[in-house]
Amino acid sequence: DAKTTQPNSMESNEEEPVHLPCNHSTISGTDYIHWYRQLPSQGPEYVIHGLTSNVNNRMASLAIAEDRKSSTLILHRATLRDAAVYYCILKETSGSRLTFGEGTQLTVNP
Amino acid sequence: DVKVTQSSRYLVKRTGEKVFLECVQDMDHENMFWYRQDPGLGLRLIYFSYDVKMKEKGDIPEGYSVSREKKERFSLILESASTNQTSMYLCASSLDKKSYEQYFGPGTRLTVT
Repeated sequence: DAKTTQPNSMESNEEEPVHLPCNHSTISGTDYIHWYRQLPSQGPEYVIHGLTSNVNNRMASLAIAEDRKSSTLILHRATLRDAAVYYCILKETSGSRLTFGEGTQLTVNP
Repeated sequence: DVKVTQSSRYLVKRTGEKVFLECVQDMDHENMFWYRQDPGLGLRLIYFSYDVKMKEKGDIPEGYSVSREKKERFSLILESASTNQTSMYLCASSLDKKSYEQYFGPGTRLTVT
């Protein structure tokens, strides 16, 4: 499986945008980029995914580099409830397995 | 809303005991998964299942087995619990092989003494 690299931790202030980076230089052409997050004492939850184009949903935006070797999860206005571990995962088109790395611990300051 | 439930939030067992962790999903999903989560190691896939009575090994199947007799239920079995199986166990389900989203349960914190 292609690997992803994320910073261990990031901090943000409430109501400010947050940009969470992910490097995946060995991504293959059929890998989708998925983001999950895990709130304290809960299981992970899906955030967003994309292949080549930038994607938006009610939770976040995903910006994918033109060469697909990196991506950025964007939270437009961080809230205290967004404090969580964010995982960037590459998923093969044909498979259903997810391989989680260590993720980025996001702290949101009031 | 999809709901994935796990039989216990906290469980304490003794070394050598047989342990059953149960997971139930209510959305007729084909795929079900068992992960364990440990500090510094992240989530690791133990076993998964694409259909009733089918199972596939994940990355760390040693010391575990699974059972899927009904579509909605996926059980993780520790035949003889050991202290190194103390962990958070997370169950997940997804609609089918092409589905992009896995839905996770709240987890079971298992302590083996």
